[in-house]
Amino acid sequence: QVQLVESGGGLVKPGGSLRLSCAASGFTFSDYYMIWIRQAPGKGLELISYISSSGSTEFYADSVKGRFTSSRDNSKNSLYLQMNSLRVEDTAVYYCARDFVANRRSNWFDPWGQGTLVTVSS
Amino acid sequence: EIVLTQSPATLSLSPGERATLSCRASQSVSSYLAWYQQKPGQSPRLLIYDTSYRATGIPARFSGSGSGTDFTLTISSLAPEDFAIYYCQQRINWPLTFGGGTKVEIK
Repeated sequence: QVQLVESGGGLVKPGGSLRLSCAASGFTFSDYYMIWIRQAPGKGLELISYISSSGSTEFYADSVKGRFTSSRDNSKNSLYLQMNSLRVEDTAVYYCARDFVANRRSNWFDPWGQGTLVTVSS
Repeated sequence: EIVLTQSPATLSLSPGERATLSCRASQSVSSYLAWYQQKPGQSPRLLIYDTSYRATGIPARFSGSGSGTDFTLTISSLAPEDFAIYYCQQRINWPLTFGGGTKVEIK
């Protein structure tokens, strides 16, 4: 069964840092591009980061560029999001998701994890 | 950035009725549009990709159509489990963007 499980969310002060993790199982993790998407409370979906299957290529939304860094450890079937200089507007549920197709970038996403809530507040 | 505008924001229907959801792009996305379903308290799941292809396990009552800037998701006969929020997404240009969602609620 394909599964993605995020962890690491919580309450952090503005300017602080947090590292999210996404544990993958049920598929060959190293064959897939992975993404981070966030959803602010009551709002829509924003794709913030995309990382290639090898980890050699990353894309970031302008809203997080220079502050957030994606990485992955294919030996541990894990995806990470290092979030620095956090702002109030970064408050959201953060999902990891898998590209729909193995070995290339389809830019469609399924499945998604259950999400982890990040709250940035003083 | 391509803006996707979904309408209506809320659709109030009864089980068994037909649902028609719209997604309009600010510029052409060719056929590169997908639809996702998000039920309360759950993460989104992929329903339709490349305008009209159903993802694995998606019932045939879900269908997608359109091209260029105007797209439609149709649910031919609403089942109780279909009441949810639906998002469209384009993949032709970075940043990949999502629409604001249409909530399908029970009338």
